[in-house]
Amino acid sequence: QKEVEQDPGPLSVPEGAIVSLNCTYSNSAFQYFMWYRQYSRKGPELLMYTYSSGNKEDGRFTAQVDKSSKYISLFIRDSQPSDSATYLCAMSARDDKIIFGKGTRLHILP
Amino acid sequence: DSGVTQTPKHLITATGQRVTLRCSPRSGDLSVYWYQQSLDQGLQFLIQYYNGEERAKGNILERFSAQQFPDLHSELNLSSLELGDSALYFCASSVREDIQYFGAGTRLSVL
Repeated sequence: QKEVEQDPGPLSVPEGAIVSLNCTYSNSAFQYFMWYRQYSRKGPELLMYTYSSGNKEDGRFTAQVDKSSKYISLFIRDSQPSDSATYLCAMSARDDKIIFGKGTRLHILP
Repeated sequence: DSGVTQTPKHLITATGQRVTLRCSPRSGDLSVYWYQQSLDQGLQFLIQYYNGEERAKGNILERFSAQQFPDLHSELNLSSLELGDSALYFCASSVREDIQYFGAGTRLSVL
């Protein structure tokens, strides 16, 4: 079983829709959970960071962590064409390297 | 702009050759990380340096090596290149390990 599982997509949704992106993980030692956004031919950019179960909101983005189910989600409200990118979940244990998901390609259709 | 600078943006070379990728971290960041990104493997951690010393090793091949210099810039050396080494190579820097800032990457094409 891989440490981090993420559906590669592509996921296509119409502009204005709510997007849900998800990852599951197997390592119960993971404490820090991140979402990175990567545009084509660019480096990953940190989008959201959380270290506890529950929800964290930042503008149109909400990160959700359920440690009991080993499941994390990223929700994008009022999606825009500029949100089209690859979204990578990432997580780490204390003082350990970050493990990345393979990324989900998202297309927002105008 | 993340503040992390990588050069060159694109490298085209032949099998068996050796190349050097360069990374300048964000001002004040002591840690530098190298990652390889391919379509099938995703983003794979290679190696971390902290203030000139190797801190952690990931899935780095013996043909690959890295170093961090006193001015904190880092170089990743890839030798005896194979077709399968074609990938995007990213450098990241950080103050704390769980929040890393990535450069724009170097695209390596081995022909």
